Amino acid sequence: DGGITQSPKYLFRKEGQNVTLSCEQNLNHDAMYWYRQDPGQGLRLIYYSQIVNDFQKGDIAEGYSVSREKKESFPLTVTSAQKNPTAFYLCASRQSGDTQYFGPGTRLTVL
Amino acid sequence: AQSVAQPEDQVNVAEGNPLTVKCTYSVSGNPYLFWYVQYPNRGLQFLLKYITGDNLVKGSYGFEAEFNKSQTSFHLKKPSALVSDSALYFCAVRDGAGTYKYIFGTGTRLKVLA
Repeated sequence: DGGITQSPKYLFRKEGQNVTLSCEQNLNHDAMYWYRQDPGQGLRLIYYSQIVNDFQKGDIAEGYSVSREKKESFPLTVTSAQKNPTAFYLCASRQSGDTQYFGPGTRLTVL
Repeated sequence: AQSVAQPEDQVNVAEGNPLTVKCTYSVSGNPYLFWYVQYPNRGLQFLLKYITGDNLVKGSYGFEAEFNKSQTSFHLKKPSALVSDSALYFCAVRDGAGTYKYIFGTGTRLKVLA
């Protein structure tokens, strides 16, 4: 899991509530990513950021938002518009080459 | 469009036997290929990658992968499996268009039997 931390490890959301997942890295990596993992579906890209103050939508961005105000931080907000948010969320960062390094994940459950 | 296929949901192998976890890909341009391993409720750990060079890539924990351009495959191998190798394995390909997006396969669960 290297120098990438995600918090909290477990998160519970009520219907209609927005929640924010934290991702912090001390690897001095420029690029950061958010993925969603569901059983049998592998990892799907939500948002990614190549540099501070810039980010792009991934394949399943609807119902999510991000910010990248600092190089080391890339928080993900799961909004009430995301109708099926229960999943395991993984944050990753990438060095100047091609290898991504992943955090330990946050498991989000809707009550 | 880029894609990755892992045709086996689960692979069972006896401890000490060789193991293979299969991956095929479709990508425009030169492929950048990766293998990751995931233990329960953990993030993904990088095992190895192919960017260019030798078709046989060696990685962490005794794993290796063979790149086969004609078959568009990048199978993960290990000569002698350990019970501790039991985990979920993901193959991934980087978008060749320079966007630095990555496409992941659906994962293969490896079970090594004692």
